[in-house]
Amino acid sequence: AQKVTQAQTEISVVEKEDVTLDCVYETRDTTYYLFWYKQPPSGELVFLIRRNSFDEQNEISGRYSWNFQKSTSSFNFTITASQVVDSAVYFCALSETNYGQNFVFGPGTRLSVLP
Amino acid sequence: EAQVTQNPRYLITVTGKKLTVTCSQNMNHEYMSWYRQDPGLGLRQIYYSMNVEVTDKGDVPEGYKVSRKEKRNFPLILESPSPNQTSLYFCASTPGRGYPYEQYFGPGTRLTVT
Repeated sequence: AQKVTQAQTEISVVEKEDVTLDCVYETRDTTYYLFWYKQPPSGELVFLIRRNSFDEQNEISGRYSWNFQKSTSSFNFTITASQVVDSAVYFCALSETNYGQNFVFGPGTRLSVLP
Repeated sequence: EAQVTQNPRYLITVTGKKLTVTCSQNMNHEYMSWYRQDPGLGLRQIYYSMNVEVTDKGDVPEGYKVSRKEKRNFPLILESPSPNQTSLYFCASTPGRGYPYEQYFGPGTRLTVT
């Protein structure tokens, strides 16, 4: 069965520090999709990125970057020069289909960025 | 505006009193899902639907029912709520096969069962 582990329950950093959120996944499928979502204190889920299993290119979007390594089944998320507005719960998720079935979330990592 | 809406956003009820949480999407998406979010567990899928009249169980379906009579609506029904169903609930929709894969989430419904 598929599984997503986010070993860091809570992380606190001071503004402008870099922080990496870890995500390790398990799946038997060769085709799968990985996601990161942000949940700010207001509660909504904000989509950050989707990565297909056959695309191992790392991605950078502004201060955000993602490191996908199939060899270690990891999909880590780095925030560079963190800001207070980055404070949120971050979820990594895995799907073995491309339509929402069997969409599995990790337990989340609560990031607190202190001024 | 493309969106998923849920109602109510907040609900406090008592054990055993039937309730329905509505979910509607205006994007003509084929797939819809319900999730519950609990501390330390992330989001877990309750039910999903691949199209009208086609639904299937997710990881935690016990105590819940769903229906998909129209493509845009996917209500979640708790026929006899219990305190362990106190949670934050999210509805989501997905375009379907062949489209860029993204789940669009509703704003969430916070349910408290006393």
